[in-house]
Amino acid sequence: QKEVEQNSGPLSVPEGAIASLNCTYSDRGSQSFFWYRQYSGKSPELIMFIYSNGDKEDGRFTAQLNKASQYVSLLIRDSQPSDSATYLCAVNRAGNQFYFGTGTSLTVIP
Amino acid sequence: DTEVTQTPKHLVMGMTNKKSLKCEQHMGHRAMYWYKQKAKKPPELMFVYSYEKLSINESVPSRFSPECPNSSLLNLHLHALQPEDSALYLCASSQNRGFDGYTFGSGTRLTVV
Repeated sequence: QKEVEQNSGPLSVPEGAIASLNCTYSDRGSQSFFWYRQYSGKSPELIMFIYSNGDKEDGRFTAQLNKASQYVSLLIRDSQPSDSATYLCAVNRAGNQFYFGTGTSLTVIP
Repeated sequence: DTEVTQTPKHLVMGMTNKKSLKCEQHMGHRAMYWYKQKAKKPPELMFVYSYEKLSINESVPSRFSPECPNSSLLNLHLHALQPEDSALYLCASSQNRGFDGYTFGSGTRLTVV
């Protein structure tokens, strides 16, 4: 079983819609959870991180964590064409060890 | 300064060459990392330095040799690479053992010919 699993997509949504990205992780000892955005040929950029169960909102982005279900999600409201990228879920276990999911490719259609 | 700077941005090297990748950060982070990323794949951890000491080596071949001269600098020395080593090499740094996330550099695109 992989440490972190994501639906690779591609996921396509129309401009202005909500994009929903999902991630599951295998280690219940995982302590912090991250969403990175990566444009083609560029390095990953941190969008959000979350430690505690529940929702965390930052602008158009909401991260949701459910530790009992070992599930992390990212909602992007009012999706824009500039949001088209690969979204990487990452999990930090014992410190200094990130495990990345394979990424979900998102396309926002104008 | 909230950046991680990597040089060079692009590198083409032959299989008999020796080259080095450089990474620098001035955010006071005490952990630094090297990742390798192939096309359409997630980043794969290679090395972790914590307080200038190598703490994790993810079974990386010896043709890759990391070095951390001080808390701001991280090098990756390359020797006798293979064409399959061609990839994007990413440096990252973090404080607090990475619990608040990593800051990545822009990467070095390496091509081995």
